[in-house]
Amino acid sequence: QQQVKQSPQSLIVQKGGISIINCAYENTAFDYFPWYQQFPGKGPALLIAIRPDVSEKKEGRFTISFNKSAKQFSLHIMDSQPGDSATYFCAALFGATNKLIFGTGTLLAVQP
Amino acid sequence: KAGVTQTPRYLIKTRGQQVTLSCSPISGHRSVSWYQQTPGQGLQFLFEYFSETQRNKGNFPGRFSGRQFSNSRSEMNVSTLELGDSALYLCASSRDRGYGEQFFGPGTRLTVL
Repeated sequence: QQQVKQSPQSLIVQKGGISIINCAYENTAFDYFPWYQQFPGKGPALLIAIRPDVSEKKEGRFTISFNKSAKQFSLHIMDSQPGDSATYFCAALFGATNKLIFGTGTLLAVQP
Repeated sequence: KAGVTQTPRYLIKTRGQQVTLSCSPISGHRSVSWYQQTPGQGLQFLFEYFSETQRNKGNFPGRFSGRQFSNSRSEMNVSTLELGDSALYLCASSRDRGYGEQFFGPGTRLTVL
């Protein structure tokens, strides 16, 4: 019930294309949903986040779409660039704690 | 504003030894959480400290412990190291509990031989 399921495991997108990564959760106690970007040898970097009272949040080329009834949320990367090639993790924050539950990650490769 | 710093960045230990990792949170952040990252298990929550008290603990054996100091800096300790403890240990800080935004440090890469 505390799992966050992420798909796809890997994704190849052409430069300029749209990258879409999906996540699903079960526990309705989650109230904060961040996305992290991680490059090899680095720690995860907070990319964008959303709370369940909002259906969409956009920051630059990155957009989160949130479907509360379906318990799903997704990351859209518009105009994908080779520099976006990294591993992306969705996560959910459990209630009033600081315990982040992470998805399994998506390895994105943007081909030039 | 300086980010989260972790020391050391790399460690090599042998089975049975113990290790202490250090984390300095972003200035003004009072909560520090620790995570373990491995290829097989992904990112897993270890524990969270706030106001020098452990507030939450993940599903890890008692060999994993930590503490937080009055300046919010935190240390984690792993005793009697096992090969399976080889991982990237990440520290994350946030302004407060349940605040949402957590910022990660670069991690400490621990290799157990």
